[in-house]
Amino acid sequence: DAGVTQSPTHLIKTRGQQVTLRCSPKSGHDTVSWYQQALGQGPQFIFQYYEEEERQRGNFPDRFSGHQFPNYSSELNVNALLLGDSALYLCASSPGRVEGRRLGYTFGSGTRLTVV
Amino acid sequence: AQKVTQAQTEISVVEKEDVTLDCVYETRDTTYYLFWYKQPPSGELVFLIRRNSFDEQNEISGRYSWNFQKSTSSFNFTITASQVVDSAVYFCALSEATSGTYKYIFGTGTRLKVLA
Repeated sequence: DAGVTQSPTHLIKTRGQQVTLRCSPKSGHDTVSWYQQALGQGPQFIFQYYEEEERQRGNFPDRFSGHQFPNYSSELNVNALLLGDSALYLCASSPGRVEGRRLGYTFGSGTRLTVV
Repeated sequence: AQKVTQAQTEISVVEKEDVTLDCVYETRDTTYYLFWYKQPPSGELVFLIRRNSFDEQNEISGRYSWNFQKSTSSFNFTITASQVVDSAVYFCALSEATSGTYKYIFGTGTRLKVLA
């Protein structure tokens, strides 16, 4: 049973560019959350998608946007990249919002984004 | 305010020693959930244990045990007879049930090095 799958695993972009990161949730999971983890820090919540809508958002600018598809997979888009956007971006899934909050999320291995 | 503090930045132990990782949390919610995740070099956050705020019974699961004390807002995690494979960064996380949020608040992590 595949867990959470993220692509690509590594990415290098130039300041000002745009990037799209992808996530396939664990089978049976319909809720996807995205986290940003800067080097040496804990993950920070970006937003959560459920039923193809953004349900909750963390303290991130509008340059960060996302999408969820009917098959529950999700994309994270970041526009006008800054050097400070360099981080590990983690996707987490759960079989429902309440279950994730209560029982725990399943995380992917992340996409490491480097902005130069 | 929601906050998770992991004061230990890095811990080094010799294989077979017991090690305790500390976690102190802040929340105004009366119902909340606490988690420990392990992050090996691969980047994936691996779920280890969870505890509900209304259940203060401490448990042991294999080599893992945890000590949850609401009076001191602490949720400490112990690995018994540590092994080299336990080397990773460990994160404590808080999820609140009644504030209408579904995000996790993570601590900054404790890097555990188990030496052979």
